[in-house]
Amino acid sequence: DAGVIQSPRHEVTEMGQEVTLRCKPISGHDYLFWYRQTMMRGLELLIYFNNNVPIDDSGMPEDRFSAKMPNASFSTLKIQPSEPRDSAVYFCASSSLAGTTQYFGPGTRLTVL
Amino acid sequence: AQSVTQLDSQVPVFEEAPVELRCNYSSSVSVYLFWYVQYPNQGLQLLLKYLSGSTLVKGINGFEAEFNKSQTSFHLRKPSVHISDTAEYFCAVKGNTDKLIFGTGTRLQVFP
Repeated sequence: DAGVIQSPRHEVTEMGQEVTLRCKPISGHDYLFWYRQTMMRGLELLIYFNNNVPIDDSGMPEDRFSAKMPNASFSTLKIQPSEPRDSAVYFCASSSLAGTTQYFGPGTRLTVL
Repeated sequence: AQSVTQLDSQVPVFEEAPVELRCNYSSSVSVYLFWYVQYPNQGLQLLLKYLSGSTLVKGINGFEAEFNKSQTSFHLRKPSVHISDTAEYFCAVKGNTDKLIFGTGTRLQVFP
């Protein structure tokens, strides 16, 4: 299996622009998680899905952030408009219904200038 | 609710020395416990996990951890570290929800 796939690996954009991060979970996994990692706040859970349905979005910082999972093999995290404080590494992780281990993707390093 | 405390933000150690990275948790329900490792510019990789059964859990790369329910601890150990073990280590706990609660991480720096 290819593992969790994220794209792009690096994104540099200017303040005010829309940013879309993409994730392909491991095939057969029912859960998908979006995390953000910064030096100041560590690893934060933003939102997670079960069977493509958002279950808990309490970690989404503001209305500028939105996430979708149109099917079992694809999810997006969108920031519109982006701000410099959104600069971070964003991770996607997936897990199976029966299992408890989350498998992480390589992350997307976002820099907002 | 659950919480995780990693008391040591950094642990410097010489190569071939033993190391222990400490993790304490708080929970009112039974938990599953995990250690993840993050190498520079990479995602998190599972080192080991405790779900049930034997309290001594062995993981990859020679690491092991012991679940101590009375001390609410899950410390990570390795008898002899290598330069390649230099990384950030995260302890995590899962209670009766789908979420993993992560600690703040411990940076292990191995010196030659």
